[in-house]
Amino acid sequence: DVKVTQSSRYLVKRTGEKVFLECVQDMDHENMFWYRQDPGLGLRLIYFSYDVKMKEKGDIPEGYSVSREKKERFSLILESASTNQTSMYLCASSWPHGDRDSPLHFGNGTRLTVT
Amino acid sequence: AQTVTQSQPEMSVQEAETVTLSCTYDTSESDYYLFWYKQPPSRQMILVIRQEAYKQQNATENRFSVNFQKAAKSFSLKISDSQLGDAAMYFCAYRSDNYGGSQGNLIFGKGTKLSVKP
Repeated sequence: DVKVTQSSRYLVKRTGEKVFLECVQDMDHENMFWYRQDPGLGLRLIYFSYDVKMKEKGDIPEGYSVSREKKERFSLILESASTNQTSMYLCASSWPHGDRDSPLHFGNGTRLTVT
Repeated sequence: AQTVTQSQPEMSVQEAETVTLSCTYDTSESDYYLFWYKQPPSRQMILVIRQEAYKQQNATENRFSVNFQKAAKSFSLKISDSQLGDAAMYFCAYRSDNYGGSQGNLIFGKGTKLSVKP
């Protein structure tokens, strides 16, 4: 079974802090994604990566950056956390787009509260 | 841009009964994939069922089946013999078959919260 592990289940940070959310997958997937989930808004893509050191902005990249130095690890960085970044963050991974049978596999989510 | 709409924020079903969750989408593409994901209180997003747009036959996975109407751009999920463990948020999602842009990214609806009454 694919395992996508997010390092923290709950996180509380102060406004202005630099925050790192870590995600590791064990299936050698090329693609990795960071989503933000808010009630009534569904899941929105922040960033995704299709290879090591490769990244592309999603729908809501403002205030976030990412790092992918190793294939199995994809980090989401909040350079200066703000209260409007309080949310649930979901990491996902998948095989390359050319593989038709490639659903996303999700981690358990990190609930981040910025005070 | 593609959009996915789930018009039912909340639904309720009696245990052992059948319930249908609605999903419509908007796209100008002819090839794409559609998914239903389930998110129980544990927060783990679990793939329930998937449908390739080029396949006319509706996908089925045990008690879960879809009604895929390509012309109407509709993709509803039917849960038969509902169980207490089916209680969760259900998300409908679309994935383009194009190779450019956000490869493999899913576009999600806002979700339907399903409650199952004993």
